[in-house]
Amino acid sequence: EAQVTQNPRYLITVTGKKLTVTCSQNMNHEYMSWYRQDPGLGLRQIYYSMNVEVTDKGDVPEGYKVSRKEKRNFPLILESPSPNQTSLYFCASSFRNPGQGNNSPLHFGNGTRLTVT
Amino acid sequence: AQSVTQLGSHVSVSEGALVLLRCNYSSSVPPYLFWYVQYPNQGLQLLLKYTSAATLVKGINGFEAEFKKSETSFHLTKPSAHMSDAAEYFCALYTGGFKTIFGAGTRLFVKA
Repeated sequence: EAQVTQNPRYLITVTGKKLTVTCSQNMNHEYMSWYRQDPGLGLRQIYYSMNVEVTDKGDVPEGYKVSRKEKRNFPLILESPSPNQTSLYFCASSFRNPGQGNNSPLHFGNGTRLTVT
Repeated sequence: AQSVTQLGSHVSVSEGALVLLRCNYSSSVPPYLFWYVQYPNQGLQLLLKYTSAATLVKGINGFEAEFKKSETSFHLTKPSAHMSDAAEYFCALYTGGFKTIFGAGTRLFVKA
């Protein structure tokens, strides 16, 4: 089954304790992206990746890191989490740039709800 | 600047009634527009997309949206609401580069 898999689904941590949220897709998609969803703000892009070893900042990259060593994986790293990073996080992928061609809508994972105390 | 505005954070309709969710956009270039739906505890799923081929776009589950350039709108409609349509709906804009801009979302409630 074609899917984007995020782990964990729920995570509670304390301020300053490094964590990684994993994201993996099995559709051979080139484009991957991380979003955070906050009430009243919709989804805001954190980082995206056009292909292996190619990443760039989205709208809210502060406090986050990513890597794209393999095409299928795009982990989100919080080196020193803070309470303002408490949010619902989504990983998404698409065949190429979103909007280009019939194969390029975003496919989303089921989300990771992160609480930082 | 590119932006997406969804009018109404919450919309409530009775089962069988018309669903209308409003989306307005701002873009200096021809846009690609999307509607996504999010059911509880799930990620977003594509409902439909506009890519300039036709102004009236039909999607899954009986939803459709009409692109109106003069009004910079892309409103989502469904003639008859079903209980299973209760979810959060997001309008999204892509104008090139590598970024999709999402609206704040509209939560649809369907009353029996």
